[in-house]
Amino acid sequence: DTAVSQTPKYLVTQMGNDKSIKCEQNLGHDTMYWYKQDSKKFLKIMFSYNNKELIINETVPNRFSPKSPDKAHLNLHINSLELGDSAVYFCASSFSGGNIQYFGAGTRLSVL
Amino acid sequence: AQSVTQPDIHITVSEGASLELRCNYSYGATPYLFWYVQSPGQGLQLLLKYFSGDTLVQGIKGFEAEFKRSQSSFNLRKPSVHWSDAAEYFCAVAPTDNAGNMLTFGGGTRLMVKP
Repeated sequence: DTAVSQTPKYLVTQMGNDKSIKCEQNLGHDTMYWYKQDSKKFLKIMFSYNNKELIINETVPNRFSPKSPDKAHLNLHINSLELGDSAVYFCASSFSGGNIQYFGAGTRLSVL
Repeated sequence: AQSVTQPDIHITVSEGASLELRCNYSYGATPYLFWYVQSPGQGLQLLLKYFSGDTLVQGIKGFEAEFKRSQSSFNLRKPSVHWSDAAEYFCAVAPTDNAGNMLTFGGGTRLMVKP
């Protein structure tokens, strides 16, 4: 009954591959997010998405794209993976305007 | 643009000692303020939040934080640290204009607890 769940927990892949990370929340929230945590533990927002709008951090390369099949899911698709994409990716969710975000356990992506 | 600074990258305290983790923010108005904790290999857990009202807020696990508008600070405190408090602590802000609710995090403070 995990509130925000991400799969896989670990992902090891080669440069140039395309991969997806899945995120699901069972909290009934209408807004979901993706964050990237680099090797120095610095956390940075990548996307905010609800059924009305997608807000993209301008620093995110267009190789990254969020895909939401429904309100409870926000998957992260990454094309042409690069070494610098290695990081821990966190999914989160909240009610819009609620501002309290609940985080998943993270997906550690390693690009070789 | 908003920013969050946590001046202390590492802090070591003895078990039972008091703790204060510093957080300063830069924002055009008073934002929403948060403290999250990340245990090794884990996701982020919300410790406490400030939206408005009483500037001293209580959180889980015996933590509290005080919002000081004049200093643009939101420091986290605990009167007596337990070994299980060893973790990474993140201060964060969110805009009050509901611009996507996106959190801006500080760089984190790693807390180590000596027996």
